Amino acid sequence: DIQMTQSPSSLSASVGDRVTITCRASQSISIYLNWYQQKPGQAPKVLIYAASSLQRGVPSHFSGSGSGTDFTLTISSLQPDDFATYYCQQSYKTPLTFGAGTKVEIK
Amino acid sequence: QVQLQESGSGLVKPSETLSLTCTVSGGSIGAYYWGWIRQPPGKGLEWVGYVSYSGTTNSDPSLKSRVSISVDTSQNQFSLKLNSVTAADTAVYYCARLFYDSSGYFDLWGRGALVTVSS
Repeated sequence: DIQMTQSPSSLSASVGDRVTITCRASQSISIYLNWYQQKPGQAPKVLIYAASSLQRGVPSHFSGSGSGTDFTLTISSLQPDDFATYYCQQSYKTPLTFGAGTKVEIK
Repeated sequence: QVQLQESGSGLVKPSETLSLTCTVSGGSIGAYYWGWIRQPPGKGLEWVGYVSYSGTTNSDPSLKSRVSISVDTSQNQFSLKLNSVTAADTAVYYCARLFYDSSGYFDLWGRGALVTVSS
């Protein structure tokens, strides 16, 4: 199985801050990497697919980058609605696997 | 727009079978893959498995011996059965559409169904 390691597991930030979350795969997964946002009591929502493609309707202050084993989700200017938990997920091969999540909290 | 809704038993006894159905409305179940993802209380997301509109299935190896996923295109539904459940199977179970566009990602999700395994 491909292991997905996210860091940090949590962070505290202020509105307007630039936030970076990293995801590392245990083997190369090309660009088969997706990012999700989940708020308490809600289903996850896809933000970025194929490492850097912004899902339709997702605000442009979200961006993704990377290929191979190292990937980054960047929130360029944190908004009040962005406080949530973020997960990466690889689809290079089954079993599909998720990172453990990064909780973004208000500072 | 396309919506997904999970239904099924919310309380299952240990050693019995968990059964959930996902109904797809506002669009056809055809030409896509449909998946199940679960989330134990306070924990992260775990892929359970998926089924294609034609009935091809795949599931997590750790669950494969206990999982059955099927599709009913006439009802626009797909279903999950997990047998011999234990407390470790207690989770919110989400159904979702697996969309392939440069990468396979879950683009539409149901609201989730909490299934508790307890006697």
